Amino acid sequence: NAGVTQTPKFQVLKTGQSMTLQCAQDMNHNSMYWYRQDPGMGLRLIYYSASEGTTDKGEVPNGYNVSRLNKREFSLRLESAAPSQTSVYFCASSSDPKGEKLFFGSGTQLSVL
Amino acid sequence: SQQGEEDPQALSIQEGENATMNCSYKTSINNLQWYRQNSGRGLVHLILIRSNEREKHSGRLRVTLDTSKKSSSLLITASRAADTASYFCAIMNSGYSTLTFGKGTMLLVSP
Repeated sequence: NAGVTQTPKFQVLKTGQSMTLQCAQDMNHNSMYWYRQDPGMGLRLIYYSASEGTTDKGEVPNGYNVSRLNKREFSLRLESAAPSQTSVYFCASSSDPKGEKLFFGSGTQLSVL
Repeated sequence: SQQGEEDPQALSIQEGENATMNCSYKTSINNLQWYRQNSGRGLVHLILIRSNEREKHSGRLRVTLDTSKKSSSLLITASRAADTASYFCAIMNSGYSTLTFGKGTMLLVSP
């Protein structure tokens, strides 16, 4: 089973450019999440979707938008990238709406110059 | 939302030794989870302990929870080089619907 698949794995952007990070899960999970991981900061929640058709802000939503396209897919968009958004981005999913036992993708390493 | 704080930040041991890492938090929790992250990879769920539980085991892993001290510990027995990774505790607060991760403990197990 593929589990949680993220694309791309690496991306370099210039300040002001836009891009969408894609995430898909094949485990029929209801809940999906986007986290960012920065050195010394642990993982911080950007947005989450407890079920298809709903999205909610996490701890650090500014500068991001999300779309829960269907039950499988949850995308993260940077409309105007900034150097502060240089990070590793992880998508995760869970069968439980309260986020017990998350399954993570392998991450997208994003650099904004 | 609160963040768990792991201690120590880094731990270096020899194969065969036990590794203990701790997580402290500040408010009441629904559950506490431990995850492992190998270098350059995503996190993998290890174990979940609920607020009404005191100890859980999974293979070589033992997790304890002391809600009076607001702390948890993860013990890895008979460590192997393959256990080299970062370990994160994640807090599910009472009444919240998302997990909050700590900054992690980096474990190095030398052959």
